[in-house]
Amino acid sequence: DGGITQSPKYLFRKEGQNVTLSCEQNLNHDAMYWYRQDPGQGLRLIYYSQIVNDFQKGDIAEGYSVSREKKESFPLTVTSAQKNPTAFYLCASSRGQGFRSTGELFFGEGSRLTVL
Amino acid sequence: AQSVSQHNHHVILSEAASLELGCNYSYGGTVNLFWYVQYPGQHLQLLLKYFSGDPLVKGIKGFEAEFIKSKFSFNLRKPSVQWSDTAEYFCAVNAGSGGGADGLTFGKGTHLIIQP
Repeated sequence: DGGITQSPKYLFRKEGQNVTLSCEQNLNHDAMYWYRQDPGQGLRLIYYSQIVNDFQKGDIAEGYSVSREKKESFPLTVTSAQKNPTAFYLCASSRGQGFRSTGELFFGEGSRLTVL
Repeated sequence: AQSVSQHNHHVILSEAASLELGCNYSYGGTVNLFWYVQYPGQHLQLLLKYFSGDPLVKGIKGFEAEFIKSKFSFNLRKPSVQWSDTAEYFCAVNAGSGGGADGLTFGKGTHLIIQP
C-alpha cells in the first residue's frame, strides 16, 4: 500500500533540545511538505520541497530546518530556536513539480510533539 | 499572498439536518480548490476538489461544493448529515505563482458536531 509514514506519532522533548521528525513516502511524488496544525489555527506551511536537494521556506519557517537528500524522505528538525514547538506536525506530498502539479496533497498521520 | 476564510469555527447540527459550510478565498487569478476532512483520530483526507469545468463538484460520502468565481467562494454542502460526519473540515486553495507544487493555503477549519 502506497502512502506517507510519519514517525514518531508522539514525542516529548525538554526545552532547549532539538528533535527530528521523520517523513517517508512511497508514492513516487516529487513534492513534499511540512505543515503545523494548532487548534483554531488550521494548517500552516513550514517548509516544502519540489525536488531533491532543494527546499523553500513556507509561512512559518523560523526555528525549523529540513533536508531533502532522497526523493522519498523529508525530515523536519524542530530546533531550540522555535519558541512554541508544542503542536501537531503533518507531512504531505503531491505529484508533479511547478505548473504540472494541481496542488492536491496526500497526508501522513501526523506527529504530536510536546515540549515539557 | 492568498488567504482562505471559513466563516464558522464550530457548527452543531442534528442528524438529517442540511449542512452548508462557507469558504471564501482571496485571489483573483486561476485557483484550484479543495475541501479536506479530519475525522477524530484519523489523518486528513480529501473530500472533494475543483480544478476546472463544472463548478458543482461532488465528493465522497454525499458531499458537494459549488465554486462561484464572482463571489470567490467554494461552499461545502450536504443535504442530510449523519452522526459519522462529525469531524473537522478544512477549505484550501492553491494559487501560487510558482505553480501547483508550492503548497496549499488552508482555512482555520470548521469543527462540525452532529448530535444523534
